[in-house]
Order: sequence, then structure tokens, then C-alpha cells
Amino acid sequence: EVQLVESGGGLVQPGGSLRLSCAASGFSFDDYAMYWVRQAPGKGLEWVSGISWNSVTLGYADSAQGRFTISRDNAKNSLYLQMNSLRAEDTALYYCAKGYYGDYASSISWFDPWGQGTLVIVSS
Amino acid sequence: QSVLTQPPSASGTPGQRVTISCSGSSSNIGSKTVNWYQQLPGTAPKLLIYSNDQRPSGVPDRFSGSKSGTSASLAISGLQSEDEADYYCAAWDDSLNGRWVFGGGTKLTVL
Repeated sequence: EVQLVESGGGLVQPGGSLRLSCAASGFSFDDYAMYWVRQAPGKGLEWVSGISWNSVTLGYADSAQGRFTISRDNAKNSLYLQMNSLRAEDTALYYCAKGYYGDYASSISWFDPWGQGTLVIVSS
Repeated sequence: QSVLTQPPSASGTPGQRVTISCSGSSSNIGSKTVNWYQQLPGTAPKLLIYSNDQRPSGVPDRFSGSKSGTSASLAISGLQSEDEADYYCAAWDDSLNGRWVFGGGTKLTVL
């Protein structure tokens, strides 16, 4: 069974940093693109970042560009999101999701499955 | 303001057919495939429809997707109480160096 388990969320002060992790199991992790998608309380889904199977290509939403860094360790079947200079508007449930193809920018891909999410709260 | 536009709410009675629209532009829906996600209350999103009109295994055939031009639609026939959820459309968007975009979501209420 394909499983994604996020961790690393918590309460952090504005301007602080946090590193999220996503542990993957049940599939050949190094064959697929991976993504981070977030959902602010009571709001809709927002794509944050994506990374291709070999880490060569990756991308960010404008809201994450320059502050967040996505990475993966295929040997550890793990996806990461390093978040710096956090703002109140980054408060959200952060989901990791598996792509159907290896390229994160494959326009014919989709996100399936999703993890249960890890909650990030940015507040003083 | 979401790149893809969905109605914030929709409703229907059990057994009815409801449709949820998703409007985009030439840089996303007009030239890319559309996916739909269902988010039941308090749970993570789940893939419902991929590649415009394909159902993953396990998704009832009551759910169907379609696309025409720069718009897409999700139809749910034989509405059931367990269909009450938030529904999101999504697609790749070629603008701004490329990005994945979502609709704002539609909350479906089964009356």
C-alpha cells in the first residue's frame, strides 16, 4: 500500500524556520515526482512546490519562491521542505503528494495519493 | 483569487444529479488536462478524476468529468449523503514559469 506520512510541523515565530519531512513507502520512490500542497485553515488547496524524481528540476509557487527549499533523499524514501522566513500567512496544513510521472512539471500528471498533512502555525 | 474559478457552493437532494464547473484560460485548462479532488470533512484530499474524464479504480461511476475549451465540469449523478465534501479542480498552468493551480473549491451540500 502506498503511504505518505508527513512530520515536522509545529508552532514557530514569524521569521523562524521549520523543516517538514514526508516518509514514503509502498512504491518505488525514486521513480516519481513529489509535491507539497498546503491548505490554510478554512481555505482551499494551494500548490507550494514540486520536485522531479532525480531532483534535477523543481519549482515553487510565487508565495514560496526564495523562502522555501524542496529536496528529496531517494535512498531514504523521503521528501523535505525547508521553510525559512516564515510569515503568519504560511500557517496551514501541509500535505505531501505523489505524482504519477517522474517530472514534476508534467502537465498530464496528477497528485495521488496524499498524506494526512502536518500543521504549521506561524505566530508570536 | 484562484487561477481556476469554481462556484463556492453547490447542493442537491439524494438521487439528484449535480454539476460543478471549473473555469480557466488558454494557459491551463485550454491546453492541459484537468484533475478533480474530493476532500471529505476532516480528511486529506483524494484523487477523484484525472486526465479530464478518467476515474481511478474504486471511484464510483456516478462521478464523471468533462472538458470543453477553457472550462471543465464534474458531474455527480445519483447523489448520496456521503458525497457531501469539498471538490477541487486542478491543472498545470504554463504562465509564470509553470506551476500547478487549483480552483478555490466547491462545497457540496446534500440536502
